[in-house]
Amino acid sequence: KAGVTQTPRYLIKTRGQQVTLSCSPISGHRSVSWYQQTPGQGLQFLFEYFSETQRNKGNFPGRFSGRQFSNSRSEMNVSTLELGDSALYLCASSLSGGDAGEAFFGQGTRLTVV
Amino acid sequence: AQRVTQPEKLLSVFKGAPVELKCNYSYSGSPELFWYVQYSRQRLQLLLRHISRESIKGFTADLNKGETSFHLKKPFAQEEDSAMYYCALSSGGYQKVTFGTGTKLQVIP
Repeated sequence: KAGVTQTPRYLIKTRGQQVTLSCSPISGHRSVSWYQQTPGQGLQFLFEYFSETQRNKGNFPGRFSGRQFSNSRSEMNVSTLELGDSALYLCASSLSGGDAGEAFFGQGTRLTVV
Repeated sequence: AQRVTQPEKLLSVFKGAPVELKCNYSYSGSPELFWYVQYSRQRLQLLLRHISRESIKGFTADLNKGETSFHLKKPFAQEEDSAMYYCALSSGGYQKVTFGTGTKLQVIP
């Protein structure tokens, strides 16, 4: 079956702009989590959605938001981009969430803010 | 708050040498612990979890609640083990998963 798909793979934006990233989970998976990966901070949890509801949230400013649609696809939005938002954004899907052992990761979207 | 610490950013070992990737955690309850691996140009994927007590690709990890550690070990390193390794903790249920900052393992031929 198809894996987790993230689009686009690469993005270049300027400071102050906003960006939307997309994640299509594995068919049948209802939980989608988002992570920010940087060389210095490693993997940091952004938020998790299950059945269109945000169930968990990490310690990121309100500029970072997300949503999930009825088909479990999820989008993440970052407004008023800052240079420090440059990172690899990873999406992971699982059947019901919670147990990371069931999570499958996408290849990520590489965001560069200039 | 739950926290995962991987003290080494880079670990270099020679092929055939033993490997130990350190992971310490902070959590007051009973955590679920995992090791994830990311090979070059590949996706992050689960390597093993403590509840299954299995050995994957020769790697094992034992949960030591007294020392709050979950170190990843392999007796003889292979070149194909070179990758980024992340230790992760979940408090179970529907709680978020916390990852460490990762350790890059470099196996020298």
